[in-house]
Amino acid sequence: QVQLEQSGAEVKKPGASVKVSCKASGYIFTNYGIAWVRQAPGQGLEWMGWISGWSGDTSPEQKFQGRVTMTTDTSTTSVYMELRSLRSDDTAVYYCARVFLDGGYGSFDYWGQGTLVTVSS
Amino acid sequence: DIQMTQSPSSVSASVGDRVTITCRASQAISSWLAWYQLKPGKAPKLLIYAASSLQSGVPSRFSGSGSGTDFTLTVSGLQPEDFATYYCQQGHSLPLTFGGGTKVEIK
Repeated sequence: QVQLEQSGAEVKKPGASVKVSCKASGYIFTNYGIAWVRQAPGQGLEWMGWISGWSGDTSPEQKFQGRVTMTTDTSTTSVYMELRSLRSDDTAVYYCARVFLDGGYGSFDYWGQGTLVTVSS
Repeated sequence: DIQMTQSPSSVSASVGDRVTITCRASQAISSWLAWYQLKPGKAPKLLIYAASSLQSGVPSRFSGSGSGTDFTLTVSGLQPEDFATYYCQQGHSLPLTFGGGTKVEIK
């Protein structure tokens, strides 16, 4: 069965970086892209961007450009999301999700369990 | 960016009730709309894609409708496991955007 297993919770200081991993299993990794979505405490969902499992091409949301890097490792079927220059408002649960191409730009058919990133001095 | 507006933001309902959640897009998005269910501490779950297509494994009491700018998610015969927060998401154009969420609570 399809599974996305994320790395554990992180606590970071403002200005630091965090790298969250997402290990995929149960499907052909290169056939699907992976998106990153976050949810700040008490807030809704926010799409951060995505990466192709085939080419490694990325499309980050404009507000994160210059601060986020998404990478893949096909040998371990893993995807990574690094967010730099962390601020307190980056405190959130970060999800990876498989992109399901339903005819439009897509929806997300399988999700990881989420990784809580806390930014605090 | 396309803004997605959900209503209501919360609803109280009883087991067996019919619940309808609406999602309005700030511009036409054809049928590129998905619905998700979120529960604390659990991975989000895709319920509906392309506005009205039921994701595999999702109970048939969930249904979606709409096109253009106005969409609905209906739960016919609410079950205890359905108490959760629901989000819509447009897949028409980048950046992909979500609605603000609707919390379905026990009355």
